[in-house]
Amino acid sequence: DTAVSQTPKYLVTQMGNDKSIKCEQNLGHDTMYWYKQDSKKFLKIMFSYNNKELIINETVPNRFSPKSPDKAHLNLHINSLELGDSAVYFCASSQNNIQYFGAGTRLSVL
Amino acid sequence: QKEVEQNSGPLSVPEGAIASLNCTYSDRGSQSFFWYRQYSGKSPELIMSIYSNGDKEDGRFTAQLNKASQYVSLLIRDSQPSDSATYLCAVNSGGGADGLTFGKGTHLIIQP
Repeated sequence: DTAVSQTPKYLVTQMGNDKSIKCEQNLGHDTMYWYKQDSKKFLKIMFSYNNKELIINETVPNRFSPKSPDKAHLNLHINSLELGDSAVYFCASSQNNIQYFGAGTRLSVL
Repeated sequence: QKEVEQNSGPLSVPEGAIASLNCTYSDRGSQSFFWYRQYSGKSPELIMSIYSNGDKEDGRFTAQLNKASQYVSLLIRDSQPSDSATYLCAVNSGGGADGLTFGKGTHLIIQP
């Protein structure tokens, strides 16, 4: 009964590949987010969606494309992966300002 | 550019003492303030939220907010070894779907 679940937990891939990370929340929240945590542990917002609508798109390469099929899901697709994309990606959802994070997806690009 | 500043540490505190963690933020329009705890290899976990000036207490944790000074702090009383983690200060400038702006975190070590 995990509140915010992400898959996969680990993702190892070669440069140039395309990969997706899936996120689902069962909290009934309207808003979902993707954050990136780099090797120095700095956690930074990438995107936010409210009721399937894109609200925030921070300075992120357009190789990253979020998709929200419904308000309980926010997936992240990454094209042409680069070494610098290696990081932990966290999905989160929120209601009333409080954000709850998934367990993270550790992406390693070789 | 919204910024949140924290001392990265490590901050070493003896078991049973008070740990004091500090954070400053640049956006005067910020309305919501949070402290998250993150253990190594785990996701951030909400410890405290605070929205108005003053102190807010929850068990061993007290958050303090001073909007005039753009300063947020977290006090942990009776520190336990299990409190050893990275503490992330986060700020939300609005409501709704705004994402959080995080500081780089303070690594806290509680020495038994």
